[in-house]
Amino acid sequence: QKEVEQNSGPLSVPEGAIASLNCTYSDRGSQSFFWYRQYSGKSPELIMSIYSNGDKEDGRFTAQLNKASQYVSLLIRDSQPSDSATYLCAVNAGGTSYGKLTFGQGTILTVHP
Amino acid sequence: GAVVSQHPSRVICKSGTSVKIECRSLDFQATTMFWYRQFPKQSLMLMATSNEGSKATYEQGVEKDKFLINHASLTLSTLTVTSAHPEDSSFYICSAPRTSGAEAFGPGTRLLVL
Repeated sequence: QKEVEQNSGPLSVPEGAIASLNCTYSDRGSQSFFWYRQYSGKSPELIMSIYSNGDKEDGRFTAQLNKASQYVSLLIRDSQPSDSATYLCAVNAGGTSYGKLTFGQGTILTVHP
Repeated sequence: GAVVSQHPSRVICKSGTSVKIECRSLDFQATTMFWYRQFPKQSLMLMATSNEGSKATYEQGVEKDKFLINHASLTLSTLTVTSAHPEDSSFYICSAPRTSGAEAFGPGTRLLVL
């Protein structure tokens, strides 16, 4: 069974610190990797996508992918209270399941002033 | 702006009634859409895959006769919760796949069955 695992947290960091969110996946053939943010009572919104090994930066967010280790992470620099949310890691295996994502359980992040 | 819309955003109904939720892709054609359910403080649970022009594919444990899915066009999928009961109260979210491989989510529909 294809699985995506995340530490459910909660992860608590002080304002201004770096928040590090981790995710591992079991399907070695996975092609695409995404991070979604979900505020309480809202639907998920896409914040980062990554497709090849290495780092991808977008503003305060950096996604890191290591396919050999089947590991993907999200770093949030200069964390703000508004970053407090649940972060979902999602993996797309590609092929016939293209477009159907497998989600992790989500990590709850709390940024305290 | 939003690329997937849902209607209604919130619905309250009596036990035993049926509720229809619409999901529209606004700026692209979607031959496939996904329906999720999320209970409070729990993760997303995929219910079914909606396929334009053919039957929906349901996940294990999801009753296809209770959760009717119709993908009437390339921009519209509907989920009907038939004979709703209080345990069906949940947050229902649809999504559509993008060429990037990501899914674009609708804003969700909060269903409360009394």
